[in-house]
Amino acid sequence: DGGITQSPKYLFRKEGQNVTLSCEQNLNHDAMYWYRQDPGQGLRLIYYSQIVNDFQKGDIAEGYSVSREKKESFPLTVTSAQKNPTAFYLCASSTSKENTEAFFGQGTRLTVV
Amino acid sequence: AQSVTQPDIHITVSEGASLELRCNYSYGATPYLFWYVQSPGQGLQLLLKYFSGDTLVQGIKGFEAEFKRSQSSFNLRKPSVHWSDAAEYFCAVVGIGGYQKVTFGIGTKLQVIP
Repeated sequence: DGGITQSPKYLFRKEGQNVTLSCEQNLNHDAMYWYRQDPGQGLRLIYYSQIVNDFQKGDIAEGYSVSREKKESFPLTVTSAQKNPTAFYLCASSTSKENTEAFFGQGTRLTVV
Repeated sequence: AQSVTQPDIHITVSEGASLELRCNYSYGATPYLFWYVQSPGQGLQLLLKYFSGDTLVQGIKGFEAEFKRSQSSFNLRKPSVHWSDAAEYFCAVVGIGGYQKVTFGIGTKLQVIP
């Protein structure tokens, strides 16, 4: 079955620690995205990548970092510089065509303790 | 800049009643439009999409949406709601440049009562 897998589903982090959220897709999609979801704010784009070894900042990239070493993988690191990291994080992928939809993973809920 | 407005944050309907969720967008040309559904703690699932052509779009789970250019709207409808439709619904617009330019509405949470 093709799809997007995010892991872990729940993640707890102590203040001052970096954590990495995993996102893997087997849809052969060129483009991948990371969103942050907070109640009442919809989804906000953190980073996106349209091709391997290339990525761009989205609207709220501060305190986050990504890598795209393989087409299938787009991990997100939440660094200690992110002041309010507790949120639900969603990974998505799409083809590189303009008229395309994105497919989403099941999300990772990150809680800072 | 493109924007999406979902004016109803929370809607309650009775099971079996009809449903309409509103979505208004702002964009200089005809955008690509989407409706997604999200169950609690889950990812987003695509319900339907509009790229071009017929302005009445059919989706999964019995949903449909109508693109009205004159009103800049893309409202989601279902003739008879089931209890399993309780979820949060997001409208999204994509402009020129591909999905990295997507803008999501803040969502409408649907509650279904017996």
